[in-house]
Amino acid sequence: DVQLVESGGGLVKPGESLRLSCVVSGFTFNSYAMTWVRQAPGEGLEWVSTISRSGSYIYYADSVKGRFTISRDNAKNALYLQMNSLRVEDTAVFYCVREDTNLLDFWGQGALVTVSS
Amino acid sequence: SSELTQDPAVSVALGQTVTITCQGDGLRSFFASWHQQKPGQPPILVVYGQNHRPPGIPDRFSASNSGITATLTITGAQAEDAADYYCNSRDTTGNLWVFGGGTRVTVL
Repeated sequence: DVQLVESGGGLVKPGESLRLSCVVSGFTFNSYAMTWVRQAPGEGLEWVSTISRSGSYIYYADSVKGRFTISRDNAKNALYLQMNSLRVEDTAVFYCVREDTNLLDFWGQGALVTVSS
Repeated sequence: SSELTQDPAVSVALGQTVTITCQGDGLRSFFASWHQQKPGQPPILVVYGQNHRPPGIPDRFSASNSGITATLTITGAQAEDAADYYCNSRDTTGNLWVFGGGTRVTVL
C-alpha cells in the first residue's frame, strides 16, 4: 500500500525555522514528482511547492517563495520542506502528496505547524 | 496562474443526487480532479480525469467536464458522503497546482 508519513511539525515563534519530512513507502519514489499542500485552520487547501522526480524542476507558491525550500532524497524515499522566516499566517497542516502526471493521487496524514508568539 | 471557483455549500436529501461545480480557465486545457475531506482527516482522491475513480471509491461518484466547468455528481447520496469537496487542476502554465475553495456537502 502507498504510504506517506509526515513529521517535523510543531510550535515555533515568528521568524523561526522548521523542517518537515515525508517518508514514503509502497511505490517507487523516484518515479513520481512530489508536492506539499497546506491547510490553515478552518480554511481550504493551498498548493505550496512541487519538486520533479529528479529534483531538477522546483516550483513554489508566491506566498512562500524565498522562504521555503523543497528537496528530496531518492535514496531515502524522503521529501523535505525547509521553512524559514515563518509567519503567523503559515500556521497550517502541511500535507505531503504524490503527483502522478497531472494528478495528485495520494495524501499523507499531515503535519501541524503552528507559528505563534 | 488561474483560479478555480466552487460554491461554498450545498445540501442533498439522503438518496438523492447532488452536483458540485468548479470553474476556471485552466480547465480548458487540464482535467479537474476531486478530493473529499472529512473533519480531522486528510483529503482523498475520489474522481479524476474524464471520469475515473480510484479503487474503493463507490460508483455513485462521477465527473464530467465542459469548457471551463468541471462537475462532480453524487448519485444516491449517502450519509457518509457528507464532507468538503475540493476540485484541483493545473494552472494555465501547466506547472503549478490550483485548488477550488471547497464545497461543503450536507446530507439531510
